[in-house]
Amino acid sequence: DGGITQSPKYLFRKEGQNVTLSCEQNLNHDAMYWYRQDPGQGLRLIYYSQIVNDFQKGDIAEGYSVSREKKESFPLTVTSAQKNPTAFYLCASSTGASTGELFFGEGSRLTVL
Amino acid sequence: GENVEQHPSTLSVQEGDSAVIKCTYSDSASNYFPWYKQELGKRPQLIIDIRSNVGEKKDQRIAVTLNKTAKHFSLHITETQPEDSAVYFCAASTGSNYQLIWGAGTKLIIKP
Repeated sequence: DGGITQSPKYLFRKEGQNVTLSCEQNLNHDAMYWYRQDPGQGLRLIYYSQIVNDFQKGDIAEGYSVSREKKESFPLTVTSAQKNPTAFYLCASSTGASTGELFFGEGSRLTVL
Repeated sequence: GENVEQHPSTLSVQEGDSAVIKCTYSDSASNYFPWYKQELGKRPQLIIDIRSNVGEKKDQRIAVTLNKTAKHFSLHITETQPEDSAVYFCAASTGSNYQLIWGAGTKLIIKP
């Protein structure tokens, strides 16, 4: 599988630490997204970016931060302010507005010890 | 706020039978309705989508129907096979062009 790559696949963090999840795409897509997936729930949008140097908060942005300095990269930082960070995180990209196919990475599973 | 309800949460069918998953949305402005399949340990992938100007769309064994008046849409899988076992998510677009509202997912189990 190519296209959109997330790393690391598994990450353990101690309470009080910030961690950064990487997301890289070579699809030349303008839009990128970060979702959080919890058991028994749908995907919840954390942040999205329509274009380089611009990003918008989603429904659950508190305790997270992002940057979009390059078109192909959209890293997510889970800060110590996020009260319940243990989850599966999915990055996605699309050619434009969300009324088109989202291409997902394989995900990163974060566990707080 | 807007939400999407998806039922059932788990569906078990005999191989070869049909499966139907239903979603209801609340935002009357929604005009795009995709379905994603997520196999165990893998990324979600789009399997079919429908826009509000059509009532039904088919792709081989998969079909989606949309009832805008009732605000619900359904995924139909016929002649189910073991590889159909996965979690299926529905979603609906919102007033924002970059946001989808997702259902909670349906775990489809195909019994041999």
